[in-house]
Amino acid sequence: GAVVSQHPSWVICKSGTSVKIECRSLDFQATTMFWYRQFPKQSLMLMATSNEGSKATYEQGVEKDKFLINHASLTLSTLTVTSAHPEDSSFYICSARGREGYTFGSGTRLTVV
Amino acid sequence: GESVGLHLPTLSVQEGDNSIINCAYSNSASDYFIWYKQESGKGPQFIIDIRSNMDKRQGQRVTVLLNKTVKHLSLQIAATQPGDSAVYFCAENIGGGTYKYIFGTGTRLKVLA
Repeated sequence: GAVVSQHPSWVICKSGTSVKIECRSLDFQATTMFWYRQFPKQSLMLMATSNEGSKATYEQGVEKDKFLINHASLTLSTLTVTSAHPEDSSFYICSARGREGYTFGSGTRLTVV
Repeated sequence: GESVGLHLPTLSVQEGDNSIINCAYSNSASDYFIWYKQESGKGPQFIIDIRSNMDKRQGQRVTVLLNKTVKHLSLQIAATQPGDSAVYFCAENIGGGTYKYIFGTGTRLKVLA
């Protein structure tokens, strides 16, 4: 079945630094990938839709300069949290749309200290 | 600091009993719905889906019911097992040719031995 690999699974960074999270579709091509954010005991909130070869579409209230998304190939989308602050600490999850539907990555837990 | 999150509603079920998890969706134009299971620290896993032209769909041990009149979805799990313990989310596709999914708040299922 379709597999989406997300890396890293856990990252701790200092306040003010940037962190890049990768989302790869391993056995299928994904023209569209999605990035979600999930706070503890809350649901997934869609942050942006990543389209291969074009600019990402951000949801209302999500700062595009803060959360940089690049979808340079059909199998890779990256989310870079720039100048991270403690309030950016969260669980970030990507999903990719393939033939069989939507597959989620395993998530990245970001802790900013 | 970390946001104060909502506490997820919890459903406690005895092992072997049937579970019913409910979800109210928001958009009457939504035309496709998915139930996901999320274990702690992991990304969501697809369980079952249903299109808006159906009111019931059955999988292995799971059944999804859709009531468009009241915008309500339910997930029924037969003979609940300890491995079913997780948080369950419904997600609606808002239609209009978009691939965006809006997730419900989630329900934590606890299976009691």
